[in-house]
Amino acid sequence: GESVGLHLPTLSVQEGDNSIINCAYSNSASDYFIWYKQESGKGPQFIIDIRSNMDKRQGQRVTVLLNKTVKHLSLQIAATQPGDSAVYFCAEASFNKFYFGSGTKLNVKP
Amino acid sequence: DGGITQSPKYLFRKEGQNVTLSCEQNLNHDAMYWYRQDPGQGLRLIYYSQIVNDFQKGDIAEGYSVSREKKESFPLTVTSAQKNPTAFYLCASRRTGRDNSPLHFGNGTRLTVT
Repeated sequence: GESVGLHLPTLSVQEGDNSIINCAYSNSASDYFIWYKQESGKGPQFIIDIRSNMDKRQGQRVTVLLNKTVKHLSLQIAATQPGDSAVYFCAEASFNKFYFGSGTKLNVKP
Repeated sequence: DGGITQSPKYLFRKEGQNVTLSCEQNLNHDAMYWYRQDPGQGLRLIYYSQIVNDFQKGDIAEGYSVSREKKESFPLTVTSAQKNPTAFYLCASRRTGRDNSPLHFGNGTRLTVT
């Protein structure tokens, strides 16, 4: 997973630009991956998921890419908006257990 | 609206007291989970339950206990044995079956123990 610590990695982007948030997962047996968005003081909110038999999945303004060879997951957000500012977590799942990375803070500048 | 309700939103306790956090869901999900989140960190699994009257320890179960007497409810007790109980606690649920499905989260309970 991502590095663990008190200081979250931060990605700052200009409003309207595309954002790419990366995540390295740890378990080769994980077969399901999810991206969550968490706003301050709230629970994580589902964004998009992907199964291990796929390498790309698109949603509304978001795309998830999965590279199982290097155990890497990315979330692309098109035309980033101020409302996208939050902490983003990747999660990997295996045998009904879900494991989370430490998150990336996305800061959208108007 | 269907969802997961955690109460209360903020909870304060003195050291040495047990405290129980409530989690209720009306999504008709079989599986329920408790996670702990510390500042600037990801979520760590405390306990999870795949079905009523059954639950399993997660990675940091020490000092916590749960029960699953009803499908809709999965209360978490933080005991006095938990060394660092101050944290943000998140409850989640998901449907089970052949297909993968994501966790749906409540809005958390922030517990402060002094």
